[in-house]
Amino acid sequence: NAGVTQTPKFRVLKTGQSMTLLCAQDMNHEYMYWYRQDPGMGLRLIHYSVGEGTTAKGEVPDGYNVSRLKKQNFLLGLESAAPSQTSVYFCASSRPPGLAGQETQYFGPGTRLLVL
Amino acid sequence: AQKITQTQPGMFVQEKEAVTLDCTYDTSDPSYGLFWYKQPSSGEMIFLIYQGSYDQQNATEGRYSLNFQKARKSANLVISASQLGDSAMYFCAMREEDSNYQLIWGAGTKLIIKP
Repeated sequence: NAGVTQTPKFRVLKTGQSMTLLCAQDMNHEYMYWYRQDPGMGLRLIHYSVGEGTTAKGEVPDGYNVSRLKKQNFLLGLESAAPSQTSVYFCASSRPPGLAGQETQYFGPGTRLLVL
Repeated sequence: AQKITQTQPGMFVQEKEAVTLDCTYDTSDPSYGLFWYKQPSSGEMIFLIYQGSYDQQNATEGRYSLNFQKARKSANLVISASQLGDSAMYFCAMREEDSNYQLIWGAGTKLIIKP
């Protein structure tokens, strides 16, 4: 049982280049999330999905796009990378939140992205 | 305004001592959940414990317990009998029903256990 996996683990981009981060989960979770983590800050939600074919904006969506074509996969795209997008990106998944949002989010190992 | 506040950027604790990591939150939603995650130097986020706003008792998971004081909007994590492997970043997070159950995170506390 792999849980949540992320590809790649590390990437260096030049300003203006594009890339796609792949997240895959094998827990049959409905909800999936993309976060970014910057030094000295907690995680911030970029986009999330409540089911196959649906996506929604989080706290910091600008400069990113997402797609959820299959239930188990959630893709994060950067169309034109900027140095401000240098960060660690985490994917997470969960069952639908119950009363008081109980369901735990399970995280992937993260992707370190450096934009020069 | 900060929704989740962790006032301790860093803490040093002697091995085997108990440690309390502070977390205060701000919400007007009556239905919410509070989470603690651990992030060791390897980088992964590990779920530790959950407390729901409707829970009558404080949550416990092994050596972890949550000191939930609803009126004070406080959800401190208590680690009993600390171990060297507890050295890590610890994050408090909240999920409100009104915000589509998105997790809002604190800035974290870096805990270092001294031998």
